[in-house]
Amino acid sequence: GQQLNQSPQSMFIQEGEDVSMNCTSSSIFNTWLWYKQDPGEGPVLLIALYKAGELTSNGRLTAQFGITRKDSFLNISASIPSDVGIYFCAGDNFNKFYFGSGTKLNVKP
Amino acid sequence: GAGVSQSPRYKVAKRGQDVALRCDPISGHVSLFWYQQALGQGPEFLTYFQNEAQLDKSGLPSDRFFAERPEGSVSTLKIQRTQQEDSAVYLCASSQTGGRGNEQFFGPGTRLTVL
Repeated sequence: GQQLNQSPQSMFIQEGEDVSMNCTSSSIFNTWLWYKQDPGEGPVLLIALYKAGELTSNGRLTAQFGITRKDSFLNISASIPSDVGIYFCAGDNFNKFYFGSGTKLNVKP
Repeated sequence: GAGVSQSPRYKVAKRGQDVALRCDPISGHVSLFWYQQALGQGPEFLTYFQNEAQLDKSGLPSDRFFAERPEGSVSTLKIQRTQQEDSAVYLCASSQTGGRGNEQFFGPGTRLTVL
């Protein structure tokens, strides 16, 4: 199946720092999405991107749909302790979602 | 309900037992998806329904896995003769439509442990 390469695998940052993570694929996607998953819960949608080049913000989160449609990044500004969790990118082709392996974010107060 | 619900939240089965996992999607959502999430990995697609029609089951790992959504709302994922490699979290998601604007909303998952 299609593989999404998500990096970094994990990050340890200080509260207040900015964070950047990205996702690349060998395949083109119609939609890119970013999810956050807390322990024992399902993923929660953060941002959805529908057009190549699209840049979308949701509070302190900003994500972009790469021009080639094969990549996306997520930035978190001024991190806070509740940002801790695992962030997944997902690419959608005709209702089949492919997920990256996740970026585990740790925030030190 | 307000969100996607799944039951049971935890299931322990002996190898060889059959299990049934239930998903209640958000009311009115047309599309329903099942995923399998192994420890430390992202969710992997299993199957997709639009209303009661199972449009894609290409992700089901073997013929021991079977999913249904007979009335286009609640769905059940059944695993027959469970094996240890079936141990994972099984996530259900629903979306309002099958097309653009198809943000998927996930349930909390069922953690299946096969001994």
